[in-house]
Formats: sequence, C-alpha cells, structure tokens
Amino acid sequence: QVQLQESGPGLVKPSETLSLTCTVSGDSFRSYYWSWIRQSPGKGLEWIGFVTSSGSTNYNPSFKSRVTISVDTSKNLFFLKINSVTAADTAVYYCARDRGGSSSPFVIWDHWGQGTLVTVSS
Amino acid sequence: DVQMTQSPSSLSASVGDRVTITCRASQGVGQELGWYQQKPGRAPKLLIYAASSLQDGVPSRFSGSGSGTEFTLTISSLEPEDFATYFCLQDYTKPYTFGQGTKLEIK
Repeated sequence: QVQLQESGPGLVKPSETLSLTCTVSGDSFRSYYWSWIRQSPGKGLEWIGFVTSSGSTNYNPSFKSRVTISVDTSKNLFFLKINSVTAADTAVYYCARDRGGSSSPFVIWDHWGQGTLVTVSS
Repeated sequence: DVQMTQSPSSLSASVGDRVTITCRASQGVGQELGWYQQKPGRAPKLLIYAASSLQDGVPSRFSGSGSGTEFTLTISSLEPEDFATYFCLQDYTKPYTFGQGTKLEIK
C-alpha cells in the first residue's frame, strides 16, 4: 500500500525558508512524478510543482524563483523549499504521487499525503 | 493561466438524487481534466482523470464527461458518503489549475 507523509515545521517566520519532506513508503519512485500542492482559504488549491525520479523539475511560475523541489530516491524522499515566505504562503501543504508520470499525458494524483499546515508568522 | 470555473459553488441534495457539477475552462483543455473529492480535514481524493476515466476503486455511480471547455461530473444516485467538496483540475497546460470547488450538502 503506497503511503505518503509530509513532515516539517508548522511555523515559519516571514522572509525565512519553508522546508518540507515527503516520505514515500510502499513503492519506488519508478517513472512517476512527485508533486507538491497547497491549499489555503484565500487561493484554494494551488499546484506548486513536481520532480521526477531523475530529479527533473517543473514549477508553477507564480512562485517565480522562490521554490525548489528535489528528490532522494535512495531514501524514498522528496522535498519542498520555498524561500522568502510571507503570510500568503500560509496553507496546508500536500505531497502527491502522479501515477501518469512519464507514461501518460494525464495527471493522475492517485496517492496523497494527509497534509501539513504551515503558518507563516513572526 | 487557464481559469477553471465550477458551478454551482454549493448544492443541496438528498440521498438517492442524481447530481451534476459543471466545470468550464477559460480556454480549451482537450480531455485533460480531472475530478477530486475532498472531505473536511482530508486530502483530495482522485475520482476521474482524462475527463471520463474512473480511478480504480471509485464507485461506478461517479462519471465524468466533456471535452474542450465544458466538463461535467455526475453522481447517479447520492450515497451518504458523497457529501463533500468537489474540485476539477485541468492538466492540459502548466501551471495546472483547479476550480474553486463545489460543496455538496445534505438537504
């Protein structure tokens, strides 16, 4: 059974860096893509970006150059970093597996973590 | 970015009702449209991808249709566990974008 679990600080100060880890169990990284998505009352659901098992990335331009997603396949982990955070980055952050990956033109987010609330506040 | 607009924003219905939710895209997205269900405090759950493909394990009372700019999610006969919020997602072009959600409540 594939499981994803987000972890990281629940409180980040403005202008600092938000760092989250997603631990994947029950499967390998294969040809899937691994995404980060967030949800806030103000902006709803927002795709942040994804990383492939080889480390290639694709980001939502709205984050400009603030975001970095990376992967450590040897440990079944992938990561999210958003720098220079503001209160607008306060949200529940989800990691998700895209089963479509490189094999399908469709996004198939079939497994999600439970989500972790990150609050940006001094 | 492609804007996704769902209607209605909220909907009251009864167990056994047939319900349809619509999602409109600001430009054509082919059939690259998914539907997700979310319950309070939980992550979204994939129901439909590629506009009409039912995800494994999802009951057959859920169905999706449409292409281009207009899509629908239909629940043929509501069950108590279907009361939740539903989101559409376009994955035709990056950045992937979601609709604002349709909250389905018990009448």
